[in-house]
Order: sequence, then structure tokens, then C-alpha cells
Amino acid sequence: GDSVTQMEGPVTLSEEAFLTINCTYTATGYPSLFWYVQYPGEGLQLLLKATKADDKGSNKGFEATYRKETTSFHLEKGSVQVSDSAVYFCALTITTDSWGKLQFGAGTQVVVTP
Amino acid sequence: GAVVSQHPSWVICKSGTSVKIECRSLDFQATTMFWYRQFPKQSLMLMATSNEGSKATYEQGVEKDKFLINHASLTLSTLTVTSAHPEDSSFYICSAREFLGGSLSTDTQYFGPGTRLTVL
Repeated sequence: GDSVTQMEGPVTLSEEAFLTINCTYTATGYPSLFWYVQYPGEGLQLLLKATKADDKGSNKGFEATYRKETTSFHLEKGSVQVSDSAVYFCALTITTDSWGKLQFGAGTQVVVTP
Repeated sequence: GAVVSQHPSWVICKSGTSVKIECRSLDFQATTMFWYRQFPKQSLMLMATSNEGSKATYEQGVEKDKFLINHASLTLSTLTVTSAHPEDSSFYICSAREFLGGSLSTDTQYFGPGTRLTVL
């Protein structure tokens, strides 16, 4: 079945450092790909998405490019802030499901220190 | 952007009582909503898919008689935890699917802020 693998955390960075969170996927079809962010005690917020190969999603300084050849959707940000400390989830739409179910990665905790 | 609300945000109840959690899509219609459960420091576990006007579809291992789901309208789904026990204590999160076809094609899940349930 469809699956998502993302790098384990926690990832600890200093403010203004470059952030990369790796995400790779396996899918039988052509899924849409998402990054969600979860702040402590809250639900998930959609950070960005891409619906087809070579699409680049971007929001709040974060970017990710849908790479079909490497089945990846790595999240990047050039200069992180303390407020970016959160758990980041990579997800895809399960291609064999007609209701739009998502398959999530395990989540990567990011800690940004001043 | 699309907004999904949940109510209550937290609830404490006694063992054996039932608790209802509401999930509303505030600015779009959602024919499909999802209910998840999240344990500390873990990813989301899908419990069920809720479709407006029909019975919910439960994931394997989820007790449908314990977790009652009603999708009464295009903007409201409810999850009732019946005869709650301490092991039901968890963070419950709903999401609503915004699905538009044609030139406005979009298919995205928007999540509620979650409900923290504590069963004493």
C-alpha cells in the first residue's frame, strides 16, 4: 500500500539555520503530497501541497518540490525562527481510496533555539 | 483559508459516561470528514471516514459501537465516545475534505484544532 517515510527527529537547530526534512513515499498511482505542521497542543495546519510531478509548494518561507523520479517531497526553509518549532508531518493521498484518505509519515519534531 | 472548528477543545468526564465532540467546516461544505486519534508523540491514527447522509466507514480495529459518528449536514460531523473509559483518553482530531472539481480542482483536508479527552 501507499506509505510515507520521513526522517526521525528531533531536529535541533539554531535560529536562522537552514532546515531540511526528508520525505519519501511509495504509491501505486499519482498522489497529491502535503506538509502539515502541528504546534504543541493544537491540530494540524496545512503548510503546503503539490498535486503533480515538478510542482513546488511554498508557504511562509517553506518550500517542497514533488519529485517523481526520486519519489520525494523534502521540506526546506532557508532561515528558521524559534516560532517554527513544531512537529512536521508529510502526507499523501491514498491513490486507491476514493474518499481522499491521507497516509501520514511519523512526524518530525523540529526544535529551534535562540 | 478553509477553517475547521472542534468543540469542545478539552473535556474531562467520569468513566462510564458518554462524550460528544463536534466538528464543523466553517466556510466550505464537506461531504467527507475524517476522525483521527493521536497518542502523545505519535502520528495520527485514522479512526473513521464520515460521509454526509450515510454511515461512517471505520478502520480496522476501531469499535463502531463505542465511537459513534454522525455526519448530519455538509458542515457538521459528530463523534460520540460512548461509555468512556480511561483508555479512551486521547487527543481526537477531525478533518474536513474540501473537494472541488473542474477548473477549481482542489482536494485538500483541513484539520480542526483537536479535542483533549480525559476520562477519570
